[in-house]
Amino acid sequence: DQQVKQNSPSLSVQEGRISILNCDYTNSMFDYFLWYKKYPAEGPTFLISISSIKDKNEDGRFTVFLNKSAKHLSLHIVPSQPGDSAVYFCAARSAGNEKLTFGTGTRLTIIP
Amino acid sequence: DAGVIQSPRHEVTEMGQEVTLRCKPISGHNSLFWYRQTMMRGLELLIYFNNNVPIDDSGMPEDRFSAKMPNASFSTLKIQPSEPRDSAVYFCASQFRGAFSDLNSNQPQHFGDGTRLSIL
Repeated sequence: DQQVKQNSPSLSVQEGRISILNCDYTNSMFDYFLWYKKYPAEGPTFLISISSIKDKNEDGRFTVFLNKSAKHLSLHIVPSQPGDSAVYFCAARSAGNEKLTFGTGTRLTIIP
Repeated sequence: DAGVIQSPRHEVTEMGQEVTLRCKPISGHNSLFWYRQTMMRGLELLIYFNNNVPIDDSGMPEDRFSAKMPNASFSTLKIQPSEPRDSAVYFCASQFRGAFSDLNSNQPQHFGDGTRLSIL
């Protein structure tokens, strides 16, 4: 049972435009969500997170939006840069539990 | 600052052999996690420790897998005997775990660069 789903395995975006990566979850106990970025032959790198008490968190070019009623979150990258080309993982955990449940990832390619 | 350090980066061995993967967490972090990444199952948690104590090993696939954390700066994941289906990338991650009641204590997990394991 996939509790965190990233339905788009890949996404291509023109440099300078907005990249939107989506993530859906089924477990209503999740209360903290994270996005990780992964380059080939490296480990996932933490990018941005959001607690369930918020609906938006922004850090520079990266913004995460959380819609609890829809059990949906998204990561916006604007403007997109070639260095943003990577695999992006959505992850979630529930209160008091350190276990992270990961989605299967979306490969983002920024076209120069 | 040194991140999570894993060794070896690559391991190729024949089935039946014992494999030991090593991890040094970030200094000051009190939780450590072992993950496995495969094409079929993505990133899955195998086991995690808090203050060197195993908390949840429900993700460990079989008795052939074992993990230890003898001190705050070192952990091992051992597979004995290894099988071809164990081939995967194994990641270690560490995190500072704050107080449960403090939402601001949410901290992300920081990952090492992984060990790519190939069992022939």
